[in-house]
Amino acid sequence: QSVLTQPPSVSGAPGQRVAISCTGGSSNIGTSYEVHWYQQLPGTAPKLVIYGNRNRPSGVPDRFSGSRSGTSASLAITGLQADDEAIYYCQSYDSSLSAWVFGGGTKLTVL
Amino acid sequence: EVQLVESGGGLVQPGGSLSLACVASTSAFSTFWMHWVRQAPGKGLVWVSHISDDGTTTAYADSVKGRFSISRDNAKNTLYLQMDSLRVEDTAVYYCASGLKWFGASFDYWGLGTLVTVSS
Repeated sequence: QSVLTQPPSVSGAPGQRVAISCTGGSSNIGTSYEVHWYQQLPGTAPKLVIYGNRNRPSGVPDRFSGSRSGTSASLAITGLQADDEAIYYCQSYDSSLSAWVFGGGTKLTVL
Repeated sequence: EVQLVESGGGLVQPGGSLSLACVASTSAFSTFWMHWVRQAPGKGLVWVSHISDDGTTTAYADSVKGRFSISRDNAKNTLYLQMDSLRVEDTAVYYCASGLKWFGASFDYWGLGTLVTVSS
C-alpha cells in the first residue's frame, strides 16, 4: 500500500492526451514539499521527467507537463508516441513518516 | 551530466550480509544528498535510505532500520550501503540516486542498479 495513490494503468492512442493522477495527503503533497515524476522504460532505471510540480529537466519534451492542487498532482502527456509507453511514478516527501515516498506506479499503454 | 554506477549485488542467503557501492563521475558528489531506492521484481519503487552531503545525517525506511547502514566517502566520490540480516523480502534491484540538499528535492540522477537476491 503506497502513501501516494496512482491508477494502475492508463492508455491512449498515438497523438492523444493522457493524464495520470497522484493523490496524497496533508503530510506530503498537501505540504510545501513538491511532487516529482519519473518515467521507467522496460528494463531501465527511472528517469526524472517533471520536478518541482511542473518543471521539465533539460531534454524532456514539452509534451510532458505537471500540475499540483491541494493534496493531488497530475502528469499530462500530449501527442502520445509509442516510446512514451512506460511506467510513471510520482514522488514526494512525507513529513509525518520522515520518509521519501513514491506512488505505486501507473503503466501507460499506447494503443 | 552526473553518472552513477552501482556494484556489489549478488546472491546471498537469508541472514547474510552484502555491501553495495555507488561511484559518482563528478566531484560535485560531495554537494549532493544521496539515496538508495529499491525495486522488487515486478514491483514499484521504494525509498530505502538517505545520507546528507557531509554524511552527518542519515535516514532509513522502517523496513530496513537497524539492519542497513548508509555511508559515504566524498574523497572517493562513493556511496555505500551495508546490508545485514538480509531477508527474502530484501530481494530487489537497488538504485543509488542523487538530489539537491533539501527534503523536497527530486532524485535527479539514477544509477543503472544492482540486483540483490536473498535466497537459500
